[in-house]
Amino acid sequence: QSVLTQPPSVSGAPGQRVTISCTGSSSNIGATYDVHWYQQLPGTAPKLLIYSNTNRPSGVPDRFSGSKSGTSASLAITGLQAEDEADYYCQSYDSSLSGYVFGTGTKVTVL
Amino acid sequence: EVQLVQSGAEVKKPGESLKISCKGSGYSFTNYWIGWVRQMPGKGLEWMGIIYPRDSDTRYSPSFQGQVSISADKSISTAYLQWSSLKASDTAMYYCARLSGSGIAWSWFDPWGQGMLVTVSS
Repeated sequence: QSVLTQPPSVSGAPGQRVTISCTGSSSNIGATYDVHWYQQLPGTAPKLLIYSNTNRPSGVPDRFSGSKSGTSASLAITGLQAEDEADYYCQSYDSSLSGYVFGTGTKVTVL
Repeated sequence: EVQLVQSGAEVKKPGESLKISCKGSGYSFTNYWIGWVRQMPGKGLEWMGIIYPRDSDTRYSPSFQGQVSISADKSISTAYLQWSSLKASDTAMYYCARLSGSGIAWSWFDPWGQGMLVTVSS
């Protein structure tokens, strides 16, 4: 069972901005552990999108940005494009479980 | 290029054993933790465990402790995930991924293997 909660789906028209929330607790995000984000295109393996809350790996467009505050984090996609249709997952570390936790996942649909 | 290559899909019967592999290349295999992640059909990602190939230090998710075994052979830069008795509920895609970052608790998974589908059916 996931301990990080995300909305099941978000949608937007091309060019719009969408945000995905990731809500945790005092044993994971609220405990200062970093949040990381992954994009999973249909039928493919997850790919790192944002690491350590706000950092983009080389090759990831600057349309993607991350933030973190308190026990939550957010991923924003600006200038939404058709190729952004995918599932998105947040990930952090949980001290109660002594291990990694993933969010429930959010499906992004481009209208 | 840092790469993780997983073994091919498997179809097994309930009660059979299975060992799947993940071979790393393009980096020093012994210097990074390797993790395993399960994705059941149509579902999200679940962390199973990690191993440090240099000394085989292994940590398991409480959900998978006792259900699977993780090992590594550093001489051939390969990590393994093993079941002694498969169940239908083990049907899933399994990914390996390298941990990156400073400190286990602040690390992220990158890159990922291509995934391996395990189907358990009578």
